[in-house]
Amino acid sequence: KAGVTQTPRYLIKTRGQQVTLSCSPISGHRSVSWYQQTPGQGLQFLFEYFSETQRNKGNFPGRFSGRQFSNSRSEMNVSTLELGDSALYLCASSLDTSAGELFFGEGSRLTVL
Amino acid sequence: QQQVKQSPQSLIVQKGGISIINCAYENTAFDYFPWYQQFPGKGPALLIAIRPDVSEKKEGRFTISFNKSAKQFSLHIMDSQPGDSATYFCAAQAGTYKYIFGTGTRLKVLA
Repeated sequence: KAGVTQTPRYLIKTRGQQVTLSCSPISGHRSVSWYQQTPGQGLQFLFEYFSETQRNKGNFPGRFSGRQFSNSRSEMNVSTLELGDSALYLCASSLDTSAGELFFGEGSRLTVL
Repeated sequence: QQQVKQSPQSLIVQKGGISIINCAYENTAFDYFPWYQQFPGKGPALLIAIRPDVSEKKEGRFTISFNKSAKQFSLHIMDSQPGDSATYFCAAQAGTYKYIFGTGTRLKVLA
């Protein structure tokens, strides 16, 4: 069974640009969550989508947005990039609505210059 | 109230020793407490998890101890091995609400 796939794995952008990251969850998983990981801050929750609807949202500015498609694949977008957006962005999928294991991808490493 | 406080930030243990990482929470609605292990260049992976109806759960060398009244839980790694060197995150979840992660503990086990 294929794991969670994130693309691209690495990318470099400059301030003011925008970026779109993609996540393909494990087959059959309907929930997709996004996290920002930075040294010292740990894993900061961005948002969660379930059946194409945003179910939970973290405390990030509106420059961070996401969506989920009917096949459960998800994308997140960051507009007007800032230096502080440099981070590892992790996507995690899970089976359904109940509490349980998150399956993480290997992340997309974003560097903003 | 939504925070999960994790300590220590880093930990160095000799091979064969016991590694102990602690987490504390405030929200009594949390009902699922997992620990995730992350190796460099990889995403976190579930190591072990517990629900508040039990005080301890053991899987191999890994044990979660849970103290509901103190709102604390901890991870014990017995007979720590160099291969256990990784970053460990505790987390808490209430129902289908978002996971709240601790800030992580970087464990290094010396050979």
